[in-house]
Amino acid sequence: AQRVTQPEKLLSVFKGAPVELKCNYSYSGSPELFWYVQYSRQRLQLLLRHISRESIKGFTADLNKGETSFHLKKPFAQEEDSAMYYCALGFAGGTSYGKLTFGQGTILTVHP
Amino acid sequence: KAGVTQTPRYLIKTRGQQVTLSCSPISGHRSVSWYQQTPGQGLQFLFEYFSETQRNKGNFPGRFSGRQFSNSRSEMNVSTLELGDSALYLCASSPMTGPGELFFGEGSRLTVL
Repeated sequence: AQRVTQPEKLLSVFKGAPVELKCNYSYSGSPELFWYVQYSRQRLQLLLRHISRESIKGFTADLNKGETSFHLKKPFAQEEDSAMYYCALGFAGGTSYGKLTFGQGTILTVHP
Repeated sequence: KAGVTQTPRYLIKTRGQQVTLSCSPISGHRSVSWYQQTPGQGLQFLFEYFSETQRNKGNFPGRFSGRQFSNSRSEMNVSTLELGDSALYLCASSPMTGPGELFFGEGSRLTVL
């Protein structure tokens, strides 16, 4: 069975500090990994996906299949990064576009 | 483009009743998925529809059902409501360009008394 674990429920950093939100997954097939973000009073939205290998709002995430991890990193956190972050696992090669397994989420607070 | 629209936004029901929630996807998106969000269980996949057919189903009892119409709008129904069904129900649509690219609605907050 597939599972996504985000070990930190809360993470606090100061503005300008590096931030890393951890995500580990378990899945026997070929994974598709995503980070979703929910800012205060906004909808849940896609932040980035491993397959595109892009940097969004300064965030990057590398899929490490050996360690089954997909940690989200940003070198210099900003106050506007404060939000709830969800790691999610999708399924490559199938007929599903909308089926994701989400982690429990990490609330990131960036202090001024 | 207008975003995913869910109605109603809030509703209160009593145990044993049934409820129907509606979702209008982004124009052109044919895949619609439903999720249940609770403080204890987090975000859990309910089901996915495209081309008016249920394509995937999560691990929920048969009281949870859904359907999709020819214009891609979707409804989900929960019958014989239980207290544990109190949750935020999120709908998401997908352009089907790849797995996992979802656009979420604001959700329907269901309270069961």
